[in-house]
Amino acid sequence: GAVVSQHPSRVICKSGTSVKIECRSLDFQATTMFWYRQFPKQSLMLMATSNEGSKATYEQGVEKDKFLINHASLTLSTLTVTSAHPEDSSFYICTLNPDRSYNEQFFGPGTRLTVL
Amino acid sequence: AQKITQTQPGMFVQEKEAVTLDCTYDTSDPSYGLFWYKQPSSGEMIFLIYQGSYDQQNATEGRYSLNFQKARKSANLVISASQLGDSAMYFCAMREDNNNDMRFGAGTRLTVKP
Repeated sequence: GAVVSQHPSRVICKSGTSVKIECRSLDFQATTMFWYRQFPKQSLMLMATSNEGSKATYEQGVEKDKFLINHASLTLSTLTVTSAHPEDSSFYICTLNPDRSYNEQFFGPGTRLTVL
Repeated sequence: AQKITQTQPGMFVQEKEAVTLDCTYDTSDPSYGLFWYKQPSSGEMIFLIYQGSYDQQNATEGRYSLNFQKARKSANLVISASQLGDSAMYFCAMREDNNNDMRFGAGTRLTVKP
């Protein structure tokens, strides 16, 4: 069964609105989760590391005020795309490594965001 | 900083033949893990195989094997007896033990021909 869920799986919104994407760990407590973005025909690019109970760590070039991350519990991290624009349209994927076991990395099914 | 390179944007293979997808990496961390994932058009990431930097033997998982050449920093994926369902994007990834995040190569689109 699924270890990581994401909601919604697909969202279409108007330019200027904010969109929240949830990532839930179903089987593990995860102090750390990761958010990736994947543009069409491109690779997964790490956006930020979500840390439970503390601030997220953002990769260079990722606007922290635009992509708000909240990791309020050990099983839930949320990514909010604020004032979304068409260039934010992408596939967003969360992942976690629950206990740093080296050959385990669990991925959510992804959220496809389309901004009109 | 870690870097993953996949130099083959696209590959074609005849059904039932074997195919090798290339991956090279660069890291200064002596301890790391290498991963291969398959991504079909649905977008889900399907784990295929894992190789630890200290593993002495090449990893194998069914039709998948990883040709790990540590000195050359390469971790090529070999798919034997290709099937039509193998057509997808394939990503090589690395996770250093000093970091817990995972970095991906650009990917290779594999097309299996009947």
